[in-house]
Amino acid sequence: EPEVTQTPSHQVTQMGQEVILRCVPISNHLYFYWYRQILGQKVEFLVSFYNNEISEKSEIFDDQFSVERPDGSNFTLKIRSTKLEDSAMYFCASSPGRSEKLFFGSGTQLSVL
Amino acid sequence: AQSVTQLDSQVPVFEEAPVELRCNYSSSVSVYLFWYVQYPNQGLQLLLKYLSGSTLVKGINGFEAEFNKSQTSFHLRKPSVHISDTAEYFCAVTAFYGGSQGNLIFGKGTKLSVKP
Repeated sequence: EPEVTQTPSHQVTQMGQEVILRCVPISNHLYFYWYRQILGQKVEFLVSFYNNEISEKSEIFDDQFSVERPDGSNFTLKIRSTKLEDSAMYFCASSPGRSEKLFFGSGTQLSVL
Repeated sequence: AQSVTQLDSQVPVFEEAPVELRCNYSSSVSVYLFWYVQYPNQGLQLLLKYLSGSTLVKGINGFEAEFNKSQTSFHLRKPSVHISDTAEYFCAVTAFYGGSQGNLIFGKGTKLSVKP
């Protein structure tokens, strides 16, 4: 079965540094998402992306966050100046349609020191 | 706004015993309901979903869930668990606003550990 691929699996960074989390969604999917899960807490929606623009974002997704689909296959999440509280598992997901099931990647564990 | 409550953070159970993982939701509009499973070091995988129709939904790996609108519940059940069912299970809801689907709202998760 096709799968969503995320790299790296673990990322350690210093507070204030920029990080880019990478995702390769399933090739014929049209909708792309980022979620995150802080240790011991709920999986939280960050942003959805369709037709090369953000379709919806949560209050967590503030100006330090941005998403991009630079080349038609990758889907990236950039955090401009990381904070300690950005430490979390970040999940990318894609779906073929708006009400289709989401396919999740295995996540990138981000640790901000 | 929608919310999802998973009443048990951890459920230990012996192999071949039945299990029920509880999920309650709140929403003022129509919803779709989902159960996702996360095995160690893997991403979230859809177990089953309720969109409409029969309130008893069957999913993969022998799991089923029943939608109860009056109790706003969507509990997950399996009559006989295996060691391989050890994982974290997430209930999720997505709401509809004027025909447009919102985004998935997850519960906090329930860790199922199956002992031999």
